[in-house]
Amino acid sequence: DSGVTQTPKHLITATGQRVTLRCSPRSGDLSVYWYQQSLDQGLQFLIHYYNGEERAKGNILERFSAQQFPDLHSELNLSSLELGDSALYFCASSRDRVNSPLHFGNGTRLTVT
Amino acid sequence: AQTVTQSQPEMSVQEAETVTLSCTYDTSESDYYLFWYKQPPSRQMILVIRQEAYKQQNATENRFSVNFQKAAKSFSLKISDSQLGDAAMYFCAYRSPKLNTGTASKLTFGTGTRLQVTL
Repeated sequence: DSGVTQTPKHLITATGQRVTLRCSPRSGDLSVYWYQQSLDQGLQFLIHYYNGEERAKGNILERFSAQQFPDLHSELNLSSLELGDSALYFCASSRDRVNSPLHFGNGTRLTVT
Repeated sequence: AQTVTQSQPEMSVQEAETVTLSCTYDTSESDYYLFWYKQPPSRQMILVIRQEAYKQQNATENRFSVNFQKAAKSFSLKISDSQLGDAAMYFCAYRSPKLNTGTASKLTFGTGTRLQVTL
């Protein structure tokens, strides 16, 4: 168990809808990262938050947004969903911004029908 | 931009044997971190081993070890005494320590190598 908690585990929704994915980092970790993994693909970096502030953006669509709250949990909001958004969404956390390894949650599997 | 290449889409190894997974990367930086992550069928991402570029000594974690060749930009993973539970997708990843560029924020992953372990 990595200590990173993601909810829900599975999500099935229709095109055009909006969903929110939730992540609780490991205790003491200040950084939260979001990654997307499409079927049999590598992981694509979406966004990074450190202690409540956005630090870097990767290949995140404008339809997607995220935030990190004062208690350090994070939410990834996906709106106007398309079939191609179906993927496994991972949250990871680390102690700091640079030196500590990332520890991943079990992911949320999103299916858009 | 940094890139990570895993040229072996699939590998197979017999139980108790040794297998080496290849990874090369491209970077202009002198200091960085390299990782191997394992993704079993459960899809969880599990950190296997980590290497700091400034350390010449190859990292080792039990049956897992790396061969880090900085000049060649190569970072291979050796799994000794392979077990059925080692069957998984293995991803090599790179991370820059440079804070000011924002690149430190992300791990850049390779496309993965699927490892099968046979009896």
